[in-house]
Amino acid sequence: RKEVEQDPGPFNVPEGATVAFNCTYSNSASQSFFWYRQDCRKEPKLLMSVYSSGNEDGRFTAQLNRASQYISLLIRDSKLSDSATYLCVVGGGRSGGYQKVTFGIGTKLQVIP
Amino acid sequence: NAGVMQNPRHLVRRRGQEARLRCSPMKGHSHVYWYRQLPEEGLKFMVYLQKENIIDESGMPKERFSAEFPKEGPSILRIQQVVRGDSAAYFCASSPSQGLETQYFGPGTRLLVL
Repeated sequence: RKEVEQDPGPFNVPEGATVAFNCTYSNSASQSFFWYRQDCRKEPKLLMSVYSSGNEDGRFTAQLNRASQYISLLIRDSKLSDSATYLCVVGGGRSGGYQKVTFGIGTKLQVIP
Repeated sequence: NAGVMQNPRHLVRRRGQEARLRCSPMKGHSHVYWYRQLPEEGLKFMVYLQKENIIDESGMPKERFSAEFPKEGPSILRIQQVVRGDSAAYFCASSPSQGLETQYFGPGTRLLVL
């Protein structure tokens, strides 16, 4: 089982739609969680951190379910500019004496006019 | 405050040549991570370094690849005797401390091996 698993997609949704991505992680000792966004041929950029209580930033909502070991990202009122690959990132769980960060393969979103 | 800088942005090498990729972390960041991204694939961790120390190189191929982060100057990822399969985007990220802190990425170096 991969440490961080994501459905690679692509998810093709019309403008204005609501779309949700899930990500599962295998290490129950994981302590930090992030969503990054990567545009085609660009570097990943932090979208938002994910907290136990859940958090919201405009049209984006992230949630964490520790019991089931998954995190989710909800995008409301999709815009064309939301088209990108969304990377799930999980940190924690000591490996070799430090707390390692692992990236998922990413879920590709294409918002269609 | 300049972000993470990588150079060159594009690098073309012939099989058997050496490739040197440079990464200057954000000001105040002493932790550097290198990742490789093959076409249509996810980011793969390669190596994590602090100044003058390699902390985790579990993602580095055993041969031809090496990395360093000297006391002065940028971090260097070195690939000797490149092969076509080394063609990829190589991203560097930095953080102010280890592991759990948000990592900030550079623009990447796209290596093409002919």
